[in-house]
Amino acid sequence: AQSVTQPDIHITVSEGASLELRCNYSYGATPYLFWYVQSPGQGLQLLLKYFSGDTLVQGIKGFEAEFKRSQSSFNLRKPSVHWSDAAEYFCAVGGGDYKLSFGAGTTVTVRA
Amino acid sequence: DTEVTQTPKHLVMGMTNKKSLKCEQHMGHRAMYWYKQKAKKPPELMFVYSYEKLSINESVPSRFSPECPNSSLLNLHLHALQPEDSALYLCASSQEGRGTETQYFGPGTRLLVL
Repeated sequence: AQSVTQPDIHITVSEGASLELRCNYSYGATPYLFWYVQSPGQGLQLLLKYFSGDTLVQGIKGFEAEFKRSQSSFNLRKPSVHWSDAAEYFCAVGGGDYKLSFGAGTTVTVRA
Repeated sequence: DTEVTQTPKHLVMGMTNKKSLKCEQHMGHRAMYWYKQKAKKPPELMFVYSYEKLSINESVPSRFSPECPNSSLLNLHLHALQPEDSALYLCASSQEGRGTETQYFGPGTRLLVL
């Protein structure tokens, strides 16, 4: 069975500082990995995804993520956060069946 | 265009009411999903339709009844709900319903059951 762990429940970062959100997955075969962002009261927006190829993936809003098979990780990064990046971030893994398995989410607070 | 639309945006209903949530996509996707999301939690899958047929029901109580009139539309009929059913209900779509596909989510319907 596939699963995702997001070790950080809540991260606070200053505006302009860098951000890194951790994601560890468990899946026996090649994982299909996703990062979604959810602003308060909104739906989930896809930030980026990894299926194969280059292990450094660029997404929208200046985000990138790096797939590391040896560490079973898919961490999300942004060099300089903006106040509008305050949101809930979900990592998800897809695979052999119909399901996406989501992590518990990380809440990002941006302070001025 | 990667838009999934949902109506209504908010819904308040009593425990004896009957209401419906609506979801629409025009991306040509053949799979559509209903999720339930409680505050500060990840979405929980409820139903999956693939090619207009119900393919997955994640043991959802019968007071939730999904319907897929065509490949672009997905409804969720609600009847005799409980206060604990209050949540954000999200619709999503993907190409065919495989776990390797990108799912695109709508903005959700915020449901309050009194």
